[in-house]
This record gives sequence, C-alpha cells and structure tokens, in this order.
Amino acid sequence: GQSLEQPSEVTAVEGAIVQINCTYQTSGFYGLSWYQQHDGGAPTFLSYNALDGLEETGRFSSFLSRSDSYGYLLLQELQMKDSASYFCAVRDVSGGYNKLIFGAGTRLAVHP
Amino acid sequence: DTEVTQTPKHLVMGMTNKKSLKCEQHMGHRAMYWYKQKAKKPPELMFVYSYEKLSINESVPSRFSPECPNSSLLNLHLHALQPEDSALYLCASSQGSGQGETQYFGPGTRLLVL
Repeated sequence: GQSLEQPSEVTAVEGAIVQINCTYQTSGFYGLSWYQQHDGGAPTFLSYNALDGLEETGRFSSFLSRSDSYGYLLLQELQMKDSASYFCAVRDVSGGYNKLIFGAGTRLAVHP
Repeated sequence: DTEVTQTPKHLVMGMTNKKSLKCEQHMGHRAMYWYKQKAKKPPELMFVYSYEKLSINESVPSRFSPECPNSSLLNLHLHALQPEDSALYLCASSQGSGQGETQYFGPGTRLLVL
C-alpha cells in the first residue's frame, strides 16, 4: 500500500519562505505531485516530480529524492493568498490504473 | 480549455431523495474520477472511468452509482444517502489513466444530506 506523511500545520509571515515536507512509502513509485486547495475550493495542481531534483515554477518549487522517499514544496515570497492546504500525492498504478493517493494535507497560514 | 465543470455547486437532499451530480470536461481526457472529501481531510477516490468504462470502484456503497455517458461527461447518481455522506464531491480528469498523468479537478459539489 501507499502512505504519506506531511506536517499538519505551518505558519509563516508574508514575504518569507516556507518548506512543506512529505515522506512516503509506496510499493511502486511513479512520481510525487503537489496540490493546493483553498477553503471551499477544489484542489489545484501545482507540480509533479518523477525524477530526483528541483522543479521550479515561479514562486513555487518542488524537490524529490527517491532514495530518501522524500520530497518538499518550497514557497517563496509568501503572499496572503498562499494561505491554503497543500497536499502531496503519489500515484498508485496497481492494477494498471492511475489512482492518486493524497497525504493528510498541510494547512499553511500566512500572516502579515 | 483546462477546465472541469461540475453541477450543481451545492445540493441539499433528504435521505429518500434521488439526485445526480454532473461533471464535464472538454480537454479530450479519457480518464475521469469521482472523489469524496470531508472537511479538513484529503480527497478519497471513489471511482475511476477509463475510456468510458468503469475501471475502479473503491468499495463504494451501492447508493452511489456512477455513469459515463460519453468521454466528456461523468455522472454520479445518488439514492437513499445517509447524513454521513455529506461532503464535497470532486470530479477530476486526466489525459489517460497511465502513470504520468496529471489529474485536474473540478470545483466540486457540496452535498448536505438531511
């Protein structure tokens, strides 16, 4: 089976940098995804790492180390609108179909 | 167009009612999904359709009945629901059902069962 661990809450101030970690256990690894979800909204795709290293998209970056079964989402120049829940997710392709398994989510609160 | 749409946005129903949730995408995606999300919890997969065929049913109670009329549409028929079924129901789609496919979510239907 699959399991993911991420911190339940993170607090930061505007303009700061925050890192949200995710460790996973999988029977087969096919990439780590990150989704953002604002209260009352739908999950929005942020990034996907299949290979080791850092992927940068604007203020957000995502990192993966397959040997450590570890990844993180890095948010720079934090803005109030970044207050949301962030989910890491892995794909379970057992049976040949694409199932997305989510971590419990990290609630990020950005303060002035 | 990278949008998945869902209707209705909100739904209140009694335990004896029958209702349907609708999902539509025009991205040419061939895989579509239903998720259920309770407050402060991650989305939980319910069903996967791949090329209009039901591929995965995550042991969902029969009071939830999915339907995929065509490659762009996905329905979830609801009957005799329980109050604990109240949740946000999310539809998602991906280009295919393979390993590297990113899933894109609709805004969800917030369901309240009285």
